[in-house]
Amino acid sequence: AQSVTQPDIHITVSEGASLELRCNYSYGATPYLFWYVQSPGQGLQLLLKYFSGDTLVQGIKGFEAEFKRSQSSFNLRKPSVHWSDAAEYFCAVSSYNTDKLIFGTGTRLQVFP
Amino acid sequence: NAGVTQTPKFRVLKTGQSMTLLCAQDMNHEYMYWYRQDPGMGLRLIHYSVGEGTTAKGEVPDGYNVSRLKKQNFLLGLESAAPSQTSVYFCASSIKETQYFGPGTRLLVL
Repeated sequence: AQSVTQPDIHITVSEGASLELRCNYSYGATPYLFWYVQSPGQGLQLLLKYFSGDTLVQGIKGFEAEFKRSQSSFNLRKPSVHWSDAAEYFCAVSSYNTDKLIFGTGTRLQVFP
Repeated sequence: NAGVTQTPKFRVLKTGQSMTLLCAQDMNHEYMYWYRQDPGMGLRLIHYSVGEGTTAKGEVPDGYNVSRLKKQNFLLGLESAAPSQTSVYFCASSIKETQYFGPGTRLLVL
């Protein structure tokens, strides 16, 4: 079955610390992978996406993610977290032959000053 | 360029009442989607449309109906609201594989 797993429900980091949010997927076809961010009371904003090519992709707000096919993972990273990064982060997967996204259950990031 | 907009932002219904949520996009996207978001469950697809005049069921379609009479609009209807439909509803539109989301509608069914 196609699925996305975000094993961490809630992560807390100090401002200035590095961040890694985990995402694992199970998908039969070549995956297209996405990370979205949702600030409180807001909609989802696309951070970055991977379709093919270089497995390290850069996104907005200083985020990056690395696709590792052997581990079925697409982890999101940021070298230095800012208080404004506190939000919920969603990983999602689709493919070239589908018009639907499958979402993970999200990771809530809390940032302490 | 407003992107994806949703009306209303917040609504309270009584059990059994009906309502329609409106989604509008100004990006000329062919595909549009309705999701619901519940705590700990991520986003689940209710219905979607691959073009004007077409609709299809998603993962959790029961209790909802949709219509896409115009390319830019996608309506989600609740014919007889139930407390289990208390949720935040998001609309999205897409060109190819990338979806763009509206700000959401928070619905409370009492």
